Amino acid sequence: SQQGEEDPQALSIQEGENATMNCSYKTSINNLQWYRQNSGRGLVHLILIRSNEREKHSGRLRVTLDTSKKSSSLLITASRAADTASYFCATVLNTGGFKTIFGAGTRLFVKA
Amino acid sequence: DTEVTQTPKHLVMGMTNKKSLKCEQHMGHRAMYWYKQKAKKPPELMFVYSYEKLSINESVPSRFSPECPNSSLLNLHLHALQPEDSALYLCASSQDRGTGGPAFHGYTFGSGTRLTVV
Repeated sequence: SQQGEEDPQALSIQEGENATMNCSYKTSINNLQWYRQNSGRGLVHLILIRSNEREKHSGRLRVTLDTSKKSSSLLITASRAADTASYFCATVLNTGGFKTIFGAGTRLFVKA
Repeated sequence: DTEVTQTPKHLVMGMTNKKSLKCEQHMGHRAMYWYKQKAKKPPELMFVYSYEKLSINESVPSRFSPECPNSSLLNLHLHALQPEDSALYLCASSQDRGTGGPAFHGYTFGSGTRLTVV
């Protein structure tokens, strides 16, 4: 299976609720990134957490990283309909520094 | 608005056609990428250019031919494609590895070209 697997595959919540997505990876990493993709469009970089960090915040986003468990989570607080999108975690392989493995993604649907 | 511009946004082509996808960025990034994305799947790396030289080719069929004419432009030439090549093709750029690369700075993606091969 590929580096960077996410769960759940799909998540449907009401506006105002929190959404949590999880990502697991297999190899050692320098950093882990999260991206958002609106339907049929490009990916947008949300947040990067370094391997020596355990938690990072950006606005309504909170990312945690547990390198001992090789896992990360993305929490979106007080979700809005505009947060409806697919969310991918991504890790850049140490070999070469260019190849990134994206997780399978979580499709988030926020109901107004 | 994205700082990586891709054209066209949509493309329908026959299996005998020759077409090109174009990508442009003006952020001074020296690494540029082509990704292919099928519906409900993550992006898959196709090619990487570093300082206008092909750095990675992920065993992509020769019917896809990349070109990097200068530090701002990236093309993907298409010829004799198959219906299974229909997908969203994404261009991305990043700082090169010498300044940390995508591992430390992430990617900037274009909005993609939706390609349909008939």
